[in-house]
Order: sequence, then C-alpha cells, then structure tokens
Amino acid sequence: GAVVSQHPSWVICKSGTSVKIECRSLDFQATTMFWYRQFPKQSLMLMATSNEGSKATYEQGVEKDKFLINHASLTLSTLTVTSAHPEDSSFYICSAEQSSYEQYFGPGTRLTVT
Amino acid sequence: RKEVEQDPGPFNVPEGATVAFNCTYSNSASQSFFWYRQDCRKEPKLLMSVYSSGNEDGRFTAQLNRASQYISLLIRDSKLSDSATYLCVVISPYNNAGNMLTFGGGTRLMVKP
Repeated sequence: GAVVSQHPSWVICKSGTSVKIECRSLDFQATTMFWYRQFPKQSLMLMATSNEGSKATYEQGVEKDKFLINHASLTLSTLTVTSAHPEDSSFYICSAEQSSYEQYFGPGTRLTVT
Repeated sequence: RKEVEQDPGPFNVPEGATVAFNCTYSNSASQSFFWYRQDCRKEPKLLMSVYSSGNEDGRFTAQLNRASQYISLLIRDSKLSDSATYLCVVISPYNNAGNMLTFGGGTRLMVKP
C-alpha cells in the first residue's frame, strides 16, 4: 500500500514554456501533499504544502505565481512550472501524507529546461 | 544553526560492519521523527519511524534522545545494498497552524566489499 505516482517521470522543455507535473496517491486519500525540489547532491527542499480544496502554502523564496499548485481531489495534486527557465531544471518530487505524518514519495520528475 | 543537522559523510565502511548515524534537531517541541533512505537519483523511501522507546527492524535500530535532541540510526552487518543517503525527518509544531516537516541534509553511506 501507500503508493504515490508522478507523471511525467522525465521532461525536457524549451525555455519559456510551461510544464505540468501530476502527483497521485493510488491507494489512499491524501488530504495533504507536498512538493519538493532537489538539486544534484543536495537534500530535498520543500517548495509548498498542498491541501485539498484550499490554496497551497508556499515556503519562503518560492514564487507562487511561477509554481502553480492545484490540489483538486484527495488523490491528485498538480505542480505547473510556468515560463520555465534553465535554472528551474531540477528533480521535482511530491509526497503524500497518509497518517501519523508518514510521507510517501512519488518517483520524482526530472525536468530539464533548454 | 540548521533546524535539523546531519553529518553529510560519506561514511565508508566494509561489508559486515556496524555503522551509526546521528541527527540533531533544534526544536524541543518536535514530536515525530523518521528515517528515510534515498538512492541516487531516486525518491526517498520511508525506512522507519523513530519511537520514544527505540525500535528495531531487522538490522536497523532507531533511537530517540529527547534530552539531547537527537535521533540515531544503527545499521548492523552492513550490506552492499545499504549504500545510500539516509535522511532524518523531524515533525514540529508550526505557528499554531499545524505541523512542519523538516529534512536533514542526509548522510551518505558507502558499503565496500
């Protein structure tokens, strides 16, 4: 149990375009999902907390107009990187909270902006 | 000072060795603790929760020391497959509005034949 999927797993896009990443909890309902970014050889950096049916809570320094988060249902949250630039290239990972604060992570999406 | 700190390593150990990692946290109100394992270019995976009384899962033992504000992970009889980055995660109250999850920077373990 506690499976989280992400789609796509890998995307290359041109500078200026937008990319949508989906995060789904497959076998449980997740009121709260989290979005992280990880640069090479660095730890996870929390970008935002996504709550079903309400606005996401963004961490300091994360532009909410650039990283649009929509948590439309208890099993789906999406992150849209708008007007992507090469510095947005990173590994984006979502997680879903099942119970007792246990986080289950999606397999990640590797974004490369050219 | 970082809220959650880990020695980044790498810890290079031979197969069969016992290795221990510590993770210190600064918020005394922290309430839940976890160890995650992350393989290179993969997502973190929950290894084990850390309970106040300490807990063991096979070769892995996790302990919590609230007085000194650290958690530990002990791996016995290291296997080559244990090579990974181990992340500690601390859950703390946040502005009376919920809880905050903070990752440590991770400790890299390399088990050699």
